[in-house]
Amino acid sequence: DVKVTQSSRYLVKRTGEKVFLECVQDMDHENMFWYRQDPGLGLRLIYFSYDVKMKEKGDIPEGYSVSREKKERFSLILESASTNQTSMYLCASSLTGYQPQHFGDGTRLSIL
Amino acid sequence: DQQVKQNSPSLSVQEGRISILNCDYTNSMFDYFLWYKKYPAEGPTFLISISSIKDKNEDGRFTVFLNKSAKHLSLHIVPSQPGDSAVYFCAASANAGKSTFGDGTTLTVKP
Repeated sequence: DVKVTQSSRYLVKRTGEKVFLECVQDMDHENMFWYRQDPGLGLRLIYFSYDVKMKEKGDIPEGYSVSREKKERFSLILESASTNQTSMYLCASSLTGYQPQHFGDGTRLSIL
Repeated sequence: DQQVKQNSPSLSVQEGRISILNCDYTNSMFDYFLWYKKYPAEGPTFLISISSIKDKNEDGRFTVFLNKSAKHLSLHIVPSQPGDSAVYFCAASANAGKSTFGDGTTLTVKP
């Protein structure tokens, strides 16, 4: 069974801090994704990656960057956290584009 | 421009009855459609999918219907159970690319 693990369930940071959210998958999936979920706005794609060291901007990449140095790990970086980045962050992976995505349980991030 | 829309934020049905969740899309290039279910404090889990070459796919109590001319898909749950109460997201992708998600519909199944 596919396991997508996000390093923290809850995180509280201060404005201006550099924040790292980590995600690891154990099924050798090619594709990995970062989303944020806000009430009434569904899942919005921040960044995704089709391979190691490759990254593509999603729909809302501003204020974020990503890193994929190893196939199993995909990190989301908030360069300088702001209060409007308070949200639920979800990581996902999939084998190919025509396969369902497997999600982690999310990180609820609060920026104070 | 929202390419995938779920126009009903919430739906309430009685246990044992049919639940019908709807989703509309605007991008005619979408060729793969999925439904995910999400419980509170958990990530979404995959429920059922359909490719654009089909108009129906069944898996147990869950059936997804695709009407390409209307750019509309629906998820039928029969019979509905209290454990089906969750947020349901539809998603669509084109050419094995990234998925675009709707805003979700909260389904409540009353005992």
